[in-house]
Amino acid sequence: DAGVIQSPRHEVTEMGQEVTLRCKPISGHNSLFWYRQTMMRGLELLIYFNNNVPIDDSGMPEDRFSAKMPNASFSTLKIQPSEPRDSAVYFCASRNRDSAEAFFGQGTRLTVV
Amino acid sequence: AQSVTQPDIHITVSEGASLELRCNYSYGATPYLFWYVQSPGQGLQLLLKYFSGDTLVQGIKGFEAEFKRSQSSFNLRKPSVHWSDAAEYFCAVAPNNAGNMLTFGGGTRLMVKP
Repeated sequence: DAGVIQSPRHEVTEMGQEVTLRCKPISGHNSLFWYRQTMMRGLELLIYFNNNVPIDDSGMPEDRFSAKMPNASFSTLKIQPSEPRDSAVYFCASRNRDSAEAFFGQGTRLTVV
Repeated sequence: AQSVTQPDIHITVSEGASLELRCNYSYGATPYLFWYVQSPGQGLQLLLKYFSGDTLVQGIKGFEAEFKRSQSSFNLRKPSVHWSDAAEYFCAVAPNNAGNMLTFGGGTRLMVKP
């Protein structure tokens, strides 16, 4: 298996633009997590899905952030409009139902200028 | 809600020296416990995990961790550090039931002196 795949690896965008981050979890995994990592706040859980259903989105910072999981093999995290303070590394992770161990993607480094 | 504390933000050790990274958690029962490592520009890689049973668990790259219920701790150790161990280390906790979320500590950045 190729592991959790995130795209793009790097994204530079102007303030006010829409940004879409993509994640393909490991096949067979039924939980998916989106995390944001910054120097100031460390690793923050934004949202997680079980069986494609959002379970806890209390970590989503504002209405500008939205996440979807239309099927078991794909998820998106969208920021609209983006702001400079959204600059961070965004990680996607997945996990199967029999294990609490999460596998992480390589992350997307987002820079909003 | 569970929480994880890693008291040491930075640690510097000499190559060949022993290492212990501290982790304390807060949770009403015994959770699942993990240590992850993150090299610069990379995602997080699992080093080891504790679910139940033997409280001393072995992981990859020569790491081990000991679960101490009385202290709510899960400290990571390595007897002899290599320069390639320089990275950031994260302790994480999840409630011991399916479909639950993973909460991470703030991380400890390890630097290794030659």
